[in-house]
Amino acid sequence: AQSVSQHNHHVILSEAASLELGCNYSYGGTVNLFWYVQYPGQHLQLLLKYFSGDPLVKGIKGFEAEFIKSKFSFNLRKPSVQWSDTAEYFCAVNAKDSNYQLIWGAGTKLIIKP
Amino acid sequence: EPEVTQTPSHQVTQMGQEVILRCVPISNHLYFYWYRQILGQKVEFLVSFYNNEISEKSEIFDDQFSVERPDGSNFTLKIRSTKLEDSAMYFCASSVQRFQETQYFGPGTRLLVL
Repeated sequence: AQSVSQHNHHVILSEAASLELGCNYSYGGTVNLFWYVQYPGQHLQLLLKYFSGDPLVKGIKGFEAEFIKSKFSFNLRKPSVQWSDTAEYFCAVNAKDSNYQLIWGAGTKLIIKP
Repeated sequence: EPEVTQTPSHQVTQMGQEVILRCVPISNHLYFYWYRQILGQKVEFLVSFYNNEISEKSEIFDDQFSVERPDGSNFTLKIRSTKLEDSAMYFCASSVQRFQETQYFGPGTRLLVL
């Protein structure tokens, strides 16, 4: 069965620090990959997604993620975080073979100290 | 920008009672989904719905759950006889298509079963 692992449950950074949140998935076939963000008190919203093509994808608010197929990874990065990036970040995967059900990681709570 | 809406935002019920959670998907979307997140656990897929019928469901979606699109706008999740372990945040989502498509999420309904 597919699964998604997010390595860090909590991350605390200072403003202007660089961010990398890890995401690994277990599935051998073709997958679609997503990062969602949930700001305090708000909806889950899509940050970025990868379906095919350039493995380096850019999303909203300066975020990017790189799909490394050989490592089954889709890590989220941002070169310089802001206080407003404080949120919970979820990695999710779906695949045709599993009828495109979204399989979710446990989430990473990111706190940015001003 | 169109949004998925959900009502109520919070619901408290007694064990054994029926609850109906309501969602209004984005109007031109054709696929609808329910997910849940038990406190401290991962987001879990429950069911997807297309063309007035269930297209996929997970093991969690047993006989006590049902979904309906009673009119052109609402999409409901009914839990017939609630159990303590049904306490969770329930998210509705919708997408234009199913394949390789972004799902847009509502704000969630927090259900507490006493």
